Parts: sequence; structure tokens; C-alpha cells
Amino acid sequence: KAGVTQTPRYLIKTRGQQVTLSCSPISGHRSVSWYQQTPGQGLQFLFEYFSETQRNKGNFPGRFSGRQFSNSRSEMNVSTLELGDSALYLCASSRQGTGDTQYFGPGTRLTVL
Amino acid sequence: AQSVSQHNHHVILSEAASLELGCNYSYGGTVNLFWYVQYPGQHLQLLLKYFSGDPLVKGIKGFEAEFIKSKFSFNLRKPSVQWSDTAEYFCAVNARTYKYIFGTGTRLKVLA
Repeated sequence: KAGVTQTPRYLIKTRGQQVTLSCSPISGHRSVSWYQQTPGQGLQFLFEYFSETQRNKGNFPGRFSGRQFSNSRSEMNVSTLELGDSALYLCASSRQGTGDTQYFGPGTRLTVL
Repeated sequence: AQSVSQHNHHVILSEAASLELGCNYSYGGTVNLFWYVQYPGQHLQLLLKYFSGDPLVKGIKGFEAEFIKSKFSFNLRKPSVQWSDTAEYFCAVNARTYKYIFGTGTRLKVLA
């Protein structure tokens, strides 16, 4: 069974630009969560989607948004990039999203210059 | 608000030493508890999890963790570490919601 895939793996952008990251969950998994990982901060929860609906959202500004498609694939968008957005963005999938084990992708390393 | 605390940010051990990494959470209700590991250059993977039942859970690679409800703790242990255990370890809590709260991680370095 294929794991969680994320594209692109690396991205370099400049301040003010916007970026879209993609995540394909494990087949059969309907819940997709996004996290921002930075040194010293651990994983900060961004949002979670299930059946194309956002069920929970973390404490990030509105520049961070996401969506999920009918095939459970998910995208995350960050508009008006800031230097502080440089981080590893992780996607995790699970069957139902409530107490399940989450399976993580390799992440997208975003660098904002 | 729910939170997870990992008290040890950096741990350095020699091979064969015993390991215990602390994890405390703040939430009064029923929780699911996880330990994840991130080896250098690899993505996060599950070490072990506790949902219910026996509070002592065993995971992969000889790791185990004990859930102590009265202390809101879920400490990770390994009797004898190996060089290959060098990694970052994350404790996570899910309070039966759609949100998982992670600790800030503990970087373990094992000296050969």
C-alpha cells in the first residue's frame, strides 16, 4: 500500500508570493491533517479535512487555507508569504481522524526569502 | 486548552544506556496517546500508541510507554538504546476530537 505523498518536496519562494502544497493520502483514508513543523516549536496543527469538509482549524492566520477533493487528496495554500512561514509542512492521513493513528508524508520544505 | 509538554529537549546517551523521555498532557477527559519518531532524513512514523486497556504499551524496536492517568503522563522508555535510535521523538495527544496536539519534541543522540 502506497504511503502518504506530498508534492513538491522543496519550494523556494519570496515574500509576498503565494504557494500551494499538495497531499495524497493513503488509499481508503478520508481524513487529512496539515501541520507546520519548525525547530523548537514541534508540530503545530493547521487544519483537518474529512470528506471535503474542514472539521477543525488551528491558530493560524487566514493566509493559511486548505481544501480537500472528492478523492481525499488535499491542498494547502499560503498567500502573501512571510519570512516566518519558512518551515516543513507535513500532511498526515488517517481513516476517520478521531483517535486513529496518523500516517505522515515526507513533508514539503518551504523556504521564504 | 489542551497542551503537551516534553520536558527533555535534548538528550545524549551512550549505547546500552537506559532511556526515559517524559510526556505530560493537560486534558481531563479520555485521550488517545501516541509517540512518533523522526529519524534523520526520514518522515515521522508511529512508535506506539495507547487507546485503552493495559496502560503499559509496547511498540516497535523495543520501545514501551506507560500511561499514568493520575499523573497525566505517558513516558517513553527503552532499557538499552542503540546508535540507530538517534532521532527526534514526539509525544502526541488526541482527545477524541479531530485535532492532535504534539509536544515540541526531544532530540536524542546516542553515542557509539
